[in-house]
Amino acid sequence: EAGVAQSPRYKIIEKRQSVAFWCNPISGHATLYWYQQILGQGPKLLIQFQNNGVVDDSQLPKDRFSAERLKGVDSTLKIQPAKLEDSAVYLCASRKMGNEQFFGPGTRLTVL
Amino acid sequence: DQQVKQNSPSLSVQEGRISILNCDYTNSMFDYFLWYKKYPAEGPTFLISISSIKDKNEDGRFTVFLNKSAKHLSLHIVPSQPGDSAVYFCAASRASYDKVIFGPGTSLSVIP
Repeated sequence: EAGVAQSPRYKIIEKRQSVAFWCNPISGHATLYWYQQILGQGPKLLIQFQNNGVVDDSQLPKDRFSAERLKGVDSTLKIQPAKLEDSAVYLCASRKMGNEQFFGPGTRLTVL
Repeated sequence: DQQVKQNSPSLSVQEGRISILNCDYTNSMFDYFLWYKKYPAEGPTFLISISSIKDKNEDGRFTVFLNKSAKHLSLHIVPSQPGDSAVYFCAASRASYDKVIFGPGTSLSVIP
């Protein structure tokens, strides 16, 4: 079974630029998560989707971050405009049942 | 406010000895606890979990102990192997289907 796929793996941008990340969850996983992991901290949930509906986006900075999951499969996370403090690893995870989340390898974003 | 704490940023253990990783939580509503393991440049992978109705769960070399009155859990790895060198995240949720809150992680080094 293929794991959670994410691209790109690395991205370097200047502040105030825009960036987008893509996630393809494990086939059949209805729940999809985006996390932000800042160096030295644990992953922090940004948004949770159930199929193509948003379950929890309480920690998503909505003035600059947006996410969508069209057709309940792939998802994209966008930052516009980026700030220096957005430098982090962005992790996508999916879940079918129970509480075990499967994580992708992450996208490391550096904002200069 | 950090709801899940891992007060040891790092731990070194000799191969073959026991590794004990500790975790404390503040939210008494947490009912389900997990440990994830993370290698560099990879996403976290699920290791073991425990429900609050239990005080111990074992899976091979890995055992998690839960002390609800102290709001404390620990992960024991016996015997430790060099391949266990990774960052270990403690995580908690209010129910098996609820969102997961991660601690900051403990970096374990197992010395051959």
